[in-house]
Amino acid sequence: DVKVTQSSRYLVKRTGEKVFLECVQDMDHENMFWYRQDPGLGLRLIYFSYDVKMKEKGDIPEGYSVSREKKERFSLILESASTNQTSMYLCASGTSGWDEQFFGPGTRLTVL
Amino acid sequence: DQQVKQNSPSLSVQEGRISILNCDYTNSMFDYFLWYKKYPAEGPTFLISISSIKDKNEDGRFTVFLNKSAKHLSLHIVPSQPGDSAVYFCAAKRTGGSEKLVFGKGTKLTVNP
Repeated sequence: DVKVTQSSRYLVKRTGEKVFLECVQDMDHENMFWYRQDPGLGLRLIYFSYDVKMKEKGDIPEGYSVSREKKERFSLILESASTNQTSMYLCASGTSGWDEQFFGPGTRLTVL
Repeated sequence: DQQVKQNSPSLSVQEGRISILNCDYTNSMFDYFLWYKKYPAEGPTFLISISSIKDKNEDGRFTVFLNKSAKHLSLHIVPSQPGDSAVYFCAAKRTGGSEKLVFGKGTKLTVNP
């Protein structure tokens, strides 16, 4: 059974804190993605990676960075959390071509 | 610029009837389309997909139709069940490119018993 896991389901942080969100997949997928979901805005792509140490900006990368040191792990970093980064964060992985992306359960982050 | 549009934020149907969810896209380079279902506080789960070489794909109660000339796809659920109540996202990508999925904003389906 394919699996994408995220380090936390719920997280509460203070403004200005550095936040790490971890994602691990066990499917040997080359592509990994970070999205955020907000009401009325759908899923918006923050960053993605198509190989170890490779990354590309998505549609809303400002205020975020990522790290992919191993194929199975993709981390999202909020350098200095702000209240407008309160959101549901979703990690996904997938292969190239005619295939779907598999999503993790999500992390609900609240920044106070 | 929204490349994938789901113009109906919500849809309500009776149990046993057909649910039709619509999606329009603007980028003619998209050649693979997917539908995801999402319950609150969970990650999206893949439902069904269709490539641009087909105009219909069926999986049990779920059928996706693609009209390339109109840049329109739809998801039909027959018969609808209360457990189908969720937010449905349409997504599209261009294979052989960056592999990014572009999502619509979602349609919240409510199936009433």
